[in-house]
Amino acid sequence: AQRVTQPEKLLSVFKGAPVELKCNYSYSGSPELFWYVQYSRQRLQLLLRHISRESIKGFTADLNKGETSFHLKKPFAQEEDSAMYYCALPSSNDYKLSFGAGTTVTVRA
Amino acid sequence: EAGVAQSPRYKIIEKRQSVAFWCNPISGHATLYWYQQILGQGPKLLIQFQNNGVVDDSQLPKDRFSAERLKGVDSTLKIQPAKLEDSAVYLCASSHQLQYFGPGTRLTVL
Repeated sequence: AQRVTQPEKLLSVFKGAPVELKCNYSYSGSPELFWYVQYSRQRLQLLLRHISRESIKGFTADLNKGETSFHLKKPFAQEEDSAMYYCALPSSNDYKLSFGAGTTVTVRA
Repeated sequence: EAGVAQSPRYKIIEKRQSVAFWCNPISGHATLYWYQQILGQGPKLLIQFQNNGVVDDSQLPKDRFSAERLKGVDSTLKIQPAKLEDSAVYLCASSHQLQYFGPGTRLTVL
């Protein structure tokens, strides 16, 4: 069975400091992983997917199959990065998503 | 393009009452999902439709929850009767490939 684990419920960093959100997964096969973000009073939206290998809003995430991780990183956090972040894993034959429990990030001035 | 629409945005009911949620997906999206998000947890899939057919309802508590998508466009999710533990945000999403989420309906069962 596929599973996504986000070990940190809360993460607080100062503006300009690096931030890393951890995500570990269990999946048999070659996974595709996503990070979703929910800003205050907004709907859940896709932040980035590992297959695109893009940097979105300064965030990057690298798939590490050996460690079964997909950690989200940003070298210099901004106040507008304060949000709820979810790691998600789609099933192999369609795009049903399994979500982690989420990490609330607060960036302090 | 217009996003996924949901209504109502908030609903408060007493236990054992019935409630229904409505979702209008993005035009042209054949796949529609309903998720339940309990406070402090990530969204959990309840049911997936492909056009008007059910693809996966293995996580739907069928003794009290039902969902339909009769014309392959809009969908409704019903709870009858509601329990206290049904208090959650109910999210609708639609996809052509990537999923786009609606704003959710926050249900409080007293």
